Amino acid sequence: NAGVTQTPKFQVLKTGQSMTLQCAQDMNHNSMYWYRQDPGMGLRLIYYSASEGTTDKGEVPNGYNVSRLNKREFSLRLESAAPSQTSVYFCASRKGGQGWNYGYTFGSGTRLTVV
Amino acid sequence: DAKTTQPNSMESNEEEPVHLPCNHSTISGTDYIHWYRQLPSQGPEYVIHGLTSNVNNRMASLAIAEDRKSSTLILHRATLRDAAVYYCILREGNYGGSQGNLIFGKGTKLSVKP
Repeated sequence: NAGVTQTPKFQVLKTGQSMTLQCAQDMNHNSMYWYRQDPGMGLRLIYYSASEGTTDKGEVPNGYNVSRLNKREFSLRLESAAPSQTSVYFCASRKGGQGWNYGYTFGSGTRLTVV
Repeated sequence: DAKTTQPNSMESNEEEPVHLPCNHSTISGTDYIHWYRQLPSQGPEYVIHGLTSNVNNRMASLAIAEDRKSSTLILHRATLRDAAVYYCILREGNYGGSQGNLIFGKGTKLSVKP
């Protein structure tokens, strides 16, 4: 049982390049989330998907797009990377629906550096 | 969003109990109190949550004040593996939309000395 799997684990981009961060969960969870964490800070919500087919903005959505490909997968895309997007990105999922108060399960993160 | 206040850092000795405090004076009646922890170079990990009554699980205990304006996460016997950043988070109890999303603060960095 893998939980939440994120790929890649590390990435270096040049300013202006694009890339997609992948996230998949195998727990049949309804809701999925993308957070970023800057050094010495707590996590900030970028986008979330309460259920398959829906996505909504979080606290810091600018510069990002998301796709809820199916119930398992939720990807985060940087169209034109900027140095300010250098961060560690975490994907998370939770059961959602009527089980809205279940705990979140987080992936191990993607360390992204934009030069 | 209701906010929480935690000390920036705390120290503990191995095999001793640890009490991590959290103040949430603006908590509403439908807010659940969640605790997560983040070990170095890992994603956050769910620890425990509660509403009004004290809660226990295999990882920790959560003691909630009678007026719910504060809570304490209790690790009964700290180990070196418990060294992490501990986040106290209020989460709205109503389902739907942005309600209920986890909003992280800076947390408390717990150091455990051998």
